[in-house]
Amino acid sequence: QSALTQPRSVSGSPGQSVTISCTGTGSDIGDYLYVSWYQQNPGKAPKMIIYDVSKRPSGVPDRFSGSKSGNTASLTISGLQPEDEAEYYCCSYAGRHSWVFGGGTTLTVL
Amino acid sequence: QITLRESGPTLVKPTQTLTLTCSLSGFSIGSSGMGVGWIRQPPGKALEWLAVIFWSDQKRTRPSLESRLSITKDTSRNQVVLTMTTMDTVDTATYFCAHTRGIMGFDFWGPGIQVIVSS
Repeated sequence: QSALTQPRSVSGSPGQSVTISCTGTGSDIGDYLYVSWYQQNPGKAPKMIIYDVSKRPSGVPDRFSGSKSGNTASLTISGLQPEDEAEYYCCSYAGRHSWVFGGGTTLTVL
Repeated sequence: QITLRESGPTLVKPTQTLTLTCSLSGFSIGSSGMGVGWIRQPPGKALEWLAVIFWSDQKRTRPSLESRLSITKDTSRNQVVLTMTTMDTVDTATYFCAHTRGIMGFDFWGPGIQVIVSS
């Protein structure tokens, strides 16, 4: 059960769009439509922002969107805002009631 | 409104057993479809899924830690308990419990409890 692969960091200016990739295998992302994304601010608990690849929980702005192709999932944040600066984690169901998280990506809003 | 809160020791010695309790509010662990998972995060590192238990008592622990982990639920107290044996310094982390409705991920999280393993 190896961690999903994410870029260590991404950055963008306010108003721009950024995309964070998350690469797994045919045993997790490639095999299931259950990818979720989490936003974590320093010292805080993660917050779910995407589930089931592309669905948003209530209250999450539609600037956040998710997609998947093959073994890779992506999170796109459009219209970047300063408050989007945080750590982002992907997570995939890996079968038999187990999950695997990504290594995390630091988003810097320039 | 679903809330969760972790409790337990914040300092344990190597080789000791860690017992953490997740107290639930806003839902019952005995209700159909409900589940609670445990996830940990070492300082400055990534999230790591540890275990999950469902209303039906179906449960699963991280394969690499299976021999050290156990997860149980107390429906009458609406709590979920994680036990980890033979603690080591590498187990120093913030431990979170989180709500799940199945396999869609973890939609509500507790604030976390920081556990330090040190002699």
